[in-house]
Amino acid sequence: EVQLLESGGGLVQPGGSLRLSCATSGFTFSSYAMSWVRQAPGKGLEWVSAISGTGDSTYYADSVNGRFSISRDNSKNTLYLQLNTLRVEDTAVYYCARDLMAISGSLGIGYWGQGTLVTVSS
Amino acid sequence: DIQMTQSPSYVSASVGDRVTITCRASQGISSWLAWYQQKPGKAPKLLLYAASSLQSGVPLRFSGSGSGTDFTLSISSLQPEDSATYYCQQANSFPHTFGQGTKLEIK
Repeated sequence: EVQLLESGGGLVQPGGSLRLSCATSGFTFSSYAMSWVRQAPGKGLEWVSAISGTGDSTYYADSVNGRFSISRDNSKNTLYLQLNTLRVEDTAVYYCARDLMAISGSLGIGYWGQGTLVTVSS
Repeated sequence: DIQMTQSPSYVSASVGDRVTITCRASQGISSWLAWYQQKPGKAPKLLLYAASSLQSGVPLRFSGSGSGTDFTLSISSLQPEDSATYYCQQANSFPHTFGQGTKLEIK
């Protein structure tokens, strides 16, 4: 069974930093691209970042580019998202997500974690 | 970046009705489109991928069509459990943008 378990969320002041982790199990982690998707309270889904299976390729939304950094440790089956220079508008539930299939390109997100809440407030 | 626009933003329908939600991409995305269902307090759930392929375990009353820039999600014979917010997402190029969502209410 595929499992994605996020951790690391919490309350942080504007300008602060946080690192989210996503521990995975139930599949060959290194074969799949992984993503982070967030959802601000009462708002829609926003794609944040993605990383290839090898970790060689990373992608970011314009809204977080230069402030957030995605990485993975394939030996630990864990995905990370480093959040720096946080803003109030970064407040959201952050979901760890796995592509549906281990292919070149993406067919969409087949598996989601339960989400971890990041609150940026003074 | 590719913009995804869904319509309507809100729809109310009765049990047994057929509902159609549209999603338009600001540029062609071939069939690299996914549809998700999200219920309050829960993570989204994949319904369809590659515009029209039904994800395993998803009821047959859900269907999708389209290619290029215009796509539709149809739900035939609405059930009470279909009350949710529906999102499209393009996976043609990064960033993999989502539509703004369509809230479906069952009367």
